[in-house]
Amino acid sequence: EDKVVQSPLSLVVHEGDTVTLNCSYEVTNFRSLLWYKQEKKAPTFLFMLTSSGIEKKSGRLSSILDKKELSSILNITATQTGDSAIYLCAVEAEYGNKLVFGAGTILRVKS
Amino acid sequence: DAGITQSPRHKVTETGTPVTLRCHQTENHRYMYWYRQDPGHGLRLIHYSYGVKDTDKGEVSDGYSVSRSKTEDFLLTLESATSSQTSVYFCAINSGQGAIGYTFGSGTRLTVV
Repeated sequence: EDKVVQSPLSLVVHEGDTVTLNCSYEVTNFRSLLWYKQEKKAPTFLFMLTSSGIEKKSGRLSSILDKKELSSILNITATQTGDSAIYLCAVEAEYGNKLVFGAGTILRVKS
Repeated sequence: DAGITQSPRHKVTETGTPVTLRCHQTENHRYMYWYRQDPGHGLRLIHYSYGVKDTDKGEVSDGYSVSRSKTEDFLLTLESATSSQTSVYFCAINSGQGAIGYTFGSGTRLTVV
């Protein structure tokens, strides 16, 4: 059975801190790993990773995939209160066109 | 969200009653999905469809049925609602060109009392 595990489940930091969110997976026929940000409504897409060791970056957010360790991290530098959200990791297996989600990490950034 | 709408946005219903949630898309995408989201569980797949009248079960399908009689509509029915089905339900669509093509609806908050 495909499984995605995220850690920590929740995190409280102060503005300006750097955070690292973790995602590990066990998936048959891995195809891609995705990160989403969710603020009260639908998840919004952040990154998709398919190749090991290549960092994807968007402003203060970055992510990298380690296929050998079956894991990924999402880094947020210089956090702001607007970064407060649930961060979801999802993995797509090669067959089925389905995403398997982790439980999410609830991030709260205090001013 | 552009191209995908869910209705209703909120619903309160009584235990034992049937409930139908609707997902409508204007993207002509082949794949449609129903997820539920509960604290500590992320999004869990209930049912999905890979074409008109082609559906399959996800990991939490018990107590739910779906129908897709036309490309644009995917209906989720709770045959006899229970309090454990209180949740936020998300519909998603995908063109089939890979996971980057996923688009989520705004969600339906269902409360079963």
